[in-house]
Amino acid sequence: EDKVVQSPLSLVVHEGDTVTLNCSYEVTNFRSLLWYKQEKKAPTFLFMLTSSGIEKKSGRLSSILDKKELFSILNITATQTGDSAIYLCAAHGSSNTGKLIFGQGTTLQVKP
Amino acid sequence: DSGVTQTPKHLITATGQRVTLRCSPRSGDLSVYWYQQSLDQGLQFLIQYYNGEERAKGNILERFSAQQFPDLHSELNLSSLELGDSALYFCASSGGGSGQPQHFGDGTRLSIL
Repeated sequence: EDKVVQSPLSLVVHEGDTVTLNCSYEVTNFRSLLWYKQEKKAPTFLFMLTSSGIEKKSGRLSSILDKKELFSILNITATQTGDSAIYLCAAHGSSNTGKLIFGQGTTLQVKP
Repeated sequence: DSGVTQTPKHLITATGQRVTLRCSPRSGDLSVYWYQQSLDQGLQFLIQYYNGEERAKGNILERFSAQQFPDLHSELNLSSLELGDSALYFCASSGGGSGQPQHFGDGTRLSIL
């Protein structure tokens, strides 16, 4: 059965810290891995990764995929209180559909 | 703002009732997806429509059904509601190709009393 596992499930840090969120996957016919940030409402798209070893970066956030070891990490540097959210990892595992398999999420709390 | 619109934002109803959730995708997106998010199950894929046709089905209960109309908006129908159906229901849309990310609406919070 396809699955996506995230760790840690929750994390508390102070402003300015750097955090690393982990996502491992076992998905048949893997196509891509996506990261989302969920605050109070809709998950907001952050990154989509399809190739191993190529880092994607957006401001203080970056992410990389390792297709050999079947995992991805999301890094946030110089954290701010506005980074507090649930971070969701999802894998796309079928060529014919867009079905996403989500992990449980990592709840990040950034304290001032 | 993702461009995906869901209505209503909140819905409170009783067991045994039927409700309809509505989703308008982003302009130009052909695919619509429905997900259920509950505290113990996380985000679970329910069903996908592409340009009016059902494309993929997840763990969607037989009491649930969906459709996508010619103007590409979609509706998710939930019937014979049970307490366990209380959850956040999200709609997402994408251009349709497997290489495009999904963008989510704000969700409909369904509470069954």
